[in-house]
Amino acid sequence: DTGVSQDPRHKITKRGQNVTFRCDPISEHNRLYWYRQTLGQGPEFLTYFQNEAQLEKSRLLSDRFSAERPKGSFSTLEIQRTEQGDSAMYLCASSLSRGPALPYEQYFGPGTRLTVT
Amino acid sequence: QKEVEQNSGPLSVPEGAIASLNCTYSDRGSQSFFWYRQYSGKSPELIMFIYSNGDKEDGRFTAQLNKASQYVSLLIRDSQPSDSATYLCAVWEAGGTSYGKLTFGQGTILTVHP
Repeated sequence: DTGVSQDPRHKITKRGQNVTFRCDPISEHNRLYWYRQTLGQGPEFLTYFQNEAQLEKSRLLSDRFSAERPKGSFSTLEIQRTEQGDSAMYLCASSLSRGPALPYEQYFGPGTRLTVT
Repeated sequence: QKEVEQNSGPLSVPEGAIASLNCTYSDRGSQSFFWYRQYSGKSPELIMFIYSNGDKEDGRFTAQLNKASQYVSLLIRDSQPSDSATYLCAVWEAGGTSYGKLTFGQGTILTVHP
C-alpha cells in the first residue's frame, strides 16, 4: 500500500522564479488537500479538491498560487513570482470522503520544502 | 475563524511516565478532533481522531474530549524516548461544502528523557 507521495522533496529557487510541486494521493482517495507549514507552526490550509473539482481556496492564498487536479488523480501546486515569504514546507494530504456526517482519516505526504533565496 | 490553541511547550516527562497534551478550541460547534505526531523535519502522522464525548483508546494513546469545556487532550502512557516529537491537535471542519479540512494548533513539543 503506497502512501501519499510528493515531488520534489526539496526545492531551492531564486526570488521571482516560478515553481511547481506535484502530489500523488493514495489511489482510491477522492479528496486531496494542500497545506503550508512554517517553522514552529501547525499546517495551514491552502486549498482542496473533491475529485477534480477545487472546492475551496484559503483567503490567505494570493493570486500567485494556483492548484489543479486534472482527472481527479495527482495534483499540482504552482507558485508564480516566488517571494522569500513563500519559504515553507508544502504538505499534501488525501482522504476518502464518505460524506460530511462522520470524520475520516487524512494522511499526509512527506512534503516539499521550498527555500526562496 | 476557528481557533485551536495548544501550549507550545516544551513538555518534558521521564521515560515510563504519562504525558498529557492539551488543546482548546474556539468554535462550540466543532465536533471532531484529530491528533497528529510530527518528528522534526518530517510530515504529520495520524495518531487518532475522536468525535464523541469521553475517551477513545488506541494502544498507549488515549484521546479525551469534553465538548462542554471545549477541551481535548491526548494521554500517552508509558512514554518512550521515541515519543519525543511535536504533537498537533486539529479541528475537523464539518459544515457546508467545506467539510473535511483541518484547522491545526501550533503544536506541543514533547521530550521524553531516559
